[in-house]
Amino acid sequence: EAGVVQSPRYKIIEKKQPVAFWCNPISGHNTLYWYLQNLGQGPELLIRYENEEAVDDSQLPKDRFSAERLKGVDSTLKIQPAELGDSAVYLCASSLDPGQTQYFGPGTRLLVL
Amino acid sequence: AQRVTQPEKLLSVFKGAPVELKCNYSYSGSPELFWYVQYSRQRLQLLLRHISRESIKGFTADLNKGETSFHLKKPFAQEEDSAMYYCALYGGATNKLIFGTGTLLAVQP
Repeated sequence: EAGVVQSPRYKIIEKKQPVAFWCNPISGHNTLYWYLQNLGQGPELLIRYENEEAVDDSQLPKDRFSAERLKGVDSTLKIQPAELGDSAVYLCASSLDPGQTQYFGPGTRLLVL
Repeated sequence: AQRVTQPEKLLSVFKGAPVELKCNYSYSGSPELFWYVQYSRQRLQLLLRHISRESIKGFTADLNKGETSFHLKKPFAQEEDSAMYYCALYGGATNKLIFGTGTLLAVQP
């Protein structure tokens, strides 16, 4: 089993440009999470999906961040426009259901110049 | 409010020495506590969870509700234990996994 797949692994963009991250969860996992991990910090939840419904997006900065999970499988996270402070690692995770063990992807390391 | 505190950013020990990575939490209900580990160039993965009461790779952790702690222990550290360790709390009321800031364990030969 491949585990949670994320792409790209690295992304370098200039500020004010748009960027998108993609995540493919483990097959059969209903719950999908996007986390932000700043340098020297633990992951912080941005948004949680149960199937295709975003059930917790309270920490997602909605002025520039958006996410979708069409058909309840793959998910994309978009930033438009990116700011210098968005430089971080963006982690995707999935679990069978909320409260079950979360399995993490390798992350996308974003650098905004 | 849910909060996880890992007071040490770095813990350096010699091979064969005992290890204790500290974790304290704040939560008003009955929490589930986890330890996640990230080895160099690998993804974040679950090491153990308190409800399983198991030992993984020689590590154990006991939930102490009186001291609101969930310290990770290993009697004899190995070089391959060198990694970043994150303590995390799951609160059923919020369905959120809250992570601490992590402790880098460096096991010297």
